[in-house]
Amino acid sequence: AAGVIQSPRHLIKEKRETATLKCYPIPRHDTVYWYQQGPGQDPQFLISFYEKMQSDKGSIPDRFSAQQFSDYHSELNMSSLELGDSALYFCASRGRATSGRGDTQYFGPGTRLTVL
Amino acid sequence: GEDVEQSLFLSVREGDSSVINCTYTDSSSTYLYWYKQEPGAGLQLLTYIFSNMDMKQDQRLTVLLNKKDKHLSLRIADTQTGDSAIYFCAESIGGDYKLSFGAGTTVTVRA
Repeated sequence: AAGVIQSPRHLIKEKRETATLKCYPIPRHDTVYWYQQGPGQDPQFLISFYEKMQSDKGSIPDRFSAQQFSDYHSELNMSSLELGDSALYFCASRGRATSGRGDTQYFGPGTRLTVL
Repeated sequence: GEDVEQSLFLSVREGDSSVINCTYTDSSSTYLYWYKQEPGAGLQLLTYIFSNMDMKQDQRLTVLLNKKDKHLSLRIADTQTGDSAIYFCAESIGGDYKLSFGAGTTVTVRA
């Protein structure tokens, strides 16, 4: 079965650079979530999109922005990178098929961002 | 996360049962979840329970939910070395079902 695809899997950037993370949800899933997991920490919700519109926002820095495109893939844009942005960034998707049956989010493998 | 609490470490002998405990705060959560994360890997959904249930069994996994005390537990029967991982409890919050995770319990299975 198709899973959530994230690219790149690993990314190394310098401070003050920009980065773009991409997420391709499971086909027919209309909701995408982004989470950030720092070293030794639990995942923290950043932002979500439903049908290409931002649906909720969490602890996402103003330096970050995201959008969902017409094909439902999503991109997380990160600017003026800081050392503290080094983390594993997960994308998850959810579809109407699981509505009422767990409303389950399926996670991608994550993008490991290292800021030097 | 601050809304979901878990014990941080659990060591268990191979073949024994493991019990991981979690407390949550949002009584309006519709579902509660258990995710497994192996070193350097992503989050794998193990199981979930609907908030109006008190127990769910799925092969070696048993989830118990005490809604009054906002307490969730995951029991793994016949724990194997492949069960060594970090286990996250999570609750869904809000109409968009975003997840709030606990800090994770590191389970170490010893021979």
